[in-house]
Amino acid sequence: GNSVTQMEGPVTLSEEAFLTINCTYTATGYPSLFWYVQYPGEGLQLLLKATKADDKGSNKGFEATYRKETTSFHLEKGSVQVSDSAVYFCALQQGGSEKLVFGKGTKLTVNP
Amino acid sequence: DTAVSQTPKYLVTQMGNDKSIKCEQNLGHDTMYWYKQDSKKFLKIMFSYNNKELIINETVPNRFSPKSPDKAHLNLHINSLELGDSAVYFCASSPPGVANTEAFFGQGTRLTVV
Repeated sequence: GNSVTQMEGPVTLSEEAFLTINCTYTATGYPSLFWYVQYPGEGLQLLLKATKADDKGSNKGFEATYRKETTSFHLEKGSVQVSDSAVYFCALQQGGSEKLVFGKGTKLTVNP
Repeated sequence: DTAVSQTPKYLVTQMGNDKSIKCEQNLGHDTMYWYKQDSKKFLKIMFSYNNKELIINETVPNRFSPKSPDKAHLNLHINSLELGDSAVYFCASSPPGVANTEAFFGQGTRLTVV
């Protein structure tokens, strides 16, 4: 079945550090890939997405590239801020289904 | 205007009780969902409804019964609550179309069964 594996957290960084959160997936065909973010006490919000191989999704300084050859969709940001502290979820959506399959989430804490 | 709203935000109840969580979306979406997030933050789909019709039921115990009176509402009723039902339950909705659709989530209902 379809699955998403993302790096175990928590991740703690200082402000302005470089962030990478790894995400790999298992799926048949060509799923769409997403990163969702959950700020403390809130629901999930879409951060970025990519719908086909080599697409790059980007938003708020975050970016991720859909790599079919490595089945990966790693999230990166060049300089994190305290306000980026949240839980980040990688997810896939298989073509023909509306269901999102989530990874286990990675908690990021950014210290001033 | 809150796009996807669910009530209550917090729910503490005893084992064996029956409780409901309500969800409403004002986005005009056809599809609504319930997701369960456990204590380790793992998020998994429970149900999906499209225009009041059940589409996805992910091997959820039949103590959980979703009800969709219209396409803007998807309520979750839970019978005979158990300790393991303690979790955060998220309602979500998405626009028509199957591929590449963004899901919009409510703020969650933290259910604690004691």
